Amino acid sequence: NAGVMQNPRHLVRRRGQEARLRCSPMKGHSHVYWYRQLPEEGLKFMVYLQKENIIDESGMPKERFSAEFPKEGPSILRIQQVVRGDSAAYFCASSPGQVLNTEAFFGQGTRLTVV
Amino acid sequence: QKEVEQNSGPLSVPEGAIASLNCTYSDRGSQSFFWYRQYSGKSPELIMSIYSNGDKEDGRFTAQLNKASQYVSLLIRDSQPSDSATYLCALTFTGTASKLTFGTGTRLQVTL
Repeated sequence: NAGVMQNPRHLVRRRGQEARLRCSPMKGHSHVYWYRQLPEEGLKFMVYLQKENIIDESGMPKERFSAEFPKEGPSILRIQQVVRGDSAAYFCASSPGQVLNTEAFFGQGTRLTVV
Repeated sequence: QKEVEQNSGPLSVPEGAIASLNCTYSDRGSQSFFWYRQYSGKSPELIMSIYSNGDKEDGRFTAQLNKASQYVSLLIRDSQPSDSATYLCALTFTGTASKLTFGTGTRLQVTL
């Protein structure tokens, strides 16, 4: 039973390029969450999705960032026109239901470096 | 402003001792509480969840929740060097069942 799978594990992008981060939830999990962790800082919520729906994107910057969780395939976090401040670890978590009632498990993360 | 507060540490305990990690939160209506462990450069790993007042034990770990005083703690018995990590407290705030809010974590060092 595979855990939450994220790829790539490491991603280097030049300023102005696009970054695409992928997350496949655990089997049986239909709720996906994206978090960002800056060096020496805590985990900050970005977005919560269910299949084909964005439920809560209150933590996501209004510009350049978007997320989707299509009917088929992984969830994708897209960052357009990356800047150095986007360099961080991006973690995806999944749960079988809302975290009010269930537990969320994290993937290994994607470490984005913008040069 | 809804907050989750943790002492950043480091908390240093000798091997075999009990480590006590604390977390306070601002929202009296919070219902779901979690402790995650994060090794340096790694992803958060779920240790415990707790939803009701009182203690919940799992092996060497005990989570304690006191909603009236708005704190949740994690006790680690017989601490081992492999327990050295950052421990993150996370919870759901009232009206935000869709997301976990994390504290900044307490770094634990277990010394030989």
